[in-house]
Amino acid sequence: AQKVTQAQTEISVVEKEDVTLDCVYETRDTTYYLFWYKQPPSGELVFLIRRNSFDEQNEISGRYSWNFQKSTSSFNFTITASQVVDSAVYFCALSEQWGNEKLTFGTGTRLTIIP
Amino acid sequence: NAGVMQNPRHLVRRRGQEARLRCSPMKGHSHVYWYRQLPEEGLKFMVYLQKENIIDESGMPKERFSAEFPKEGPSILRIQQVVRGDSAAYFCASSPSPQETQYFGPGTRLLVL
Repeated sequence: AQKVTQAQTEISVVEKEDVTLDCVYETRDTTYYLFWYKQPPSGELVFLIRRNSFDEQNEISGRYSWNFQKSTSSFNFTITASQVVDSAVYFCALSEQWGNEKLTFGTGTRLTIIP
Repeated sequence: NAGVMQNPRHLVRRRGQEARLRCSPMKGHSHVYWYRQLPEEGLKFMVYLQKENIIDESGMPKERFSAEFPKEGPSILRIQQVVRGDSAAYFCASSPSPQETQYFGPGTRLLVL
């Protein structure tokens, strides 16, 4: 069975600090997809990134970067120079290939950026 | 291109009433997924539908809950005889095909009094 663990329930950092959100996953499949979604206080879910299991290259998008390490089954998310608008709950999710397209979500990390 | 639409955004029901939640997928998307988020928890998968077909309902409670995605019109998640424990945010997502990214709607917040 697939499982996603986000051990950090809540994190608070001062604005402009860097912060890393951890995500550890379990799956029996060799082909799978990993995702990060952001849920701001307004409540909607915003897609951030999708990664397949064969692509271990780190990705950078502006202040956001993602570190995928198959050896440790981790897909961590770093925000550099954090801003107040980054305050949200961040969810990591996993889907397996073929016949199991549903997303399995972690319990989320609530990130608060202190001005 | 409009995103995933859900309505109503907020719904209040008394115990024993029925709740109907609607989801219109993004244009060109024929795959719809429903998830439930209980207060202070992550999202849990409920059901996956394509047009006129239920593909996976393994996360759906066996009683009182049903879902459909007709040939025409939005997908509907129906909860009969609601109880207080049904109070949650219900999110719909859509994708153009399996394994493609799922894009989420704004959710429907259901409150059962």
